[in-house]
Amino acid sequence: NAGVMQNPRHLVRRRGQEARLRCSPMKGHSHVYWYRQLPEEGLKFMVYLQKENIIDESGMPKERFSAEFPKEGPSILRIQQVVRGDSAAYFCASSPPSGAGSFGHTIYFGEGSWLTVV
Amino acid sequence: SQKIEQNSEALNIQEGKTATLTCNYTNYSPAYLQWYRQDPGRGPVFLLLIRENEKEKRKERLKVTFDTTLKQSLFHITASQPADSATYLCARGLNFGNEKLTFGTGTRLTIIP
Repeated sequence: NAGVMQNPRHLVRRRGQEARLRCSPMKGHSHVYWYRQLPEEGLKFMVYLQKENIIDESGMPKERFSAEFPKEGPSILRIQQVVRGDSAAYFCASSPPSGAGSFGHTIYFGEGSWLTVV
Repeated sequence: SQKIEQNSEALNIQEGKTATLTCNYTNYSPAYLQWYRQDPGRGPVFLLLIRENEKEKRKERLKVTFDTTLKQSLFHITASQPADSATYLCARGLNFGNEKLTFGTGTRLTIIP
């Protein structure tokens, strides 16, 4: 009965390096969402994906950020050439296909990946 | 743009009393509002969802209301316990089928023994 699994839990990168954050959704869930939480700020939507498709990326910065959810394997959030302002907690969430689930469209969050850029 | 505001950044309540947290939204009513609990260093945990056409929802010691006239949701914890201390987040959803949630900044609740 594993929940949403994110790794790494903590990641330290130097400015200019790449950060790759992975997310395995709950079993049976085909929808994945990425949110970012900056210090002292609320969670901000970044991107919504289904298998092999980006459904809504309106919250993604235009440059350096990309996300994928391949047919096999976890969803990946990739940040290229990281800067100090990218330091934040990145949360992945998943939900079942539309219409399924006891609450209709409850989404379940992972424990987050905490990125620190030094 | 659609905003969610949680007016109280922090709230201290005596153990045993009812804690009431407020969430206000702007512009048109969302299809639903959700409440989450977040502990330090952890991910948000879903608590309750209330739809636009529902006035009240309950789950054990938790109660949520949705007032479309006031554009407000209230979240109540009755018989509060120190273990209820956490940050509580309110989130609005546009419509079912797309879980692009807009979150408030949260209210940090402390239950004082």
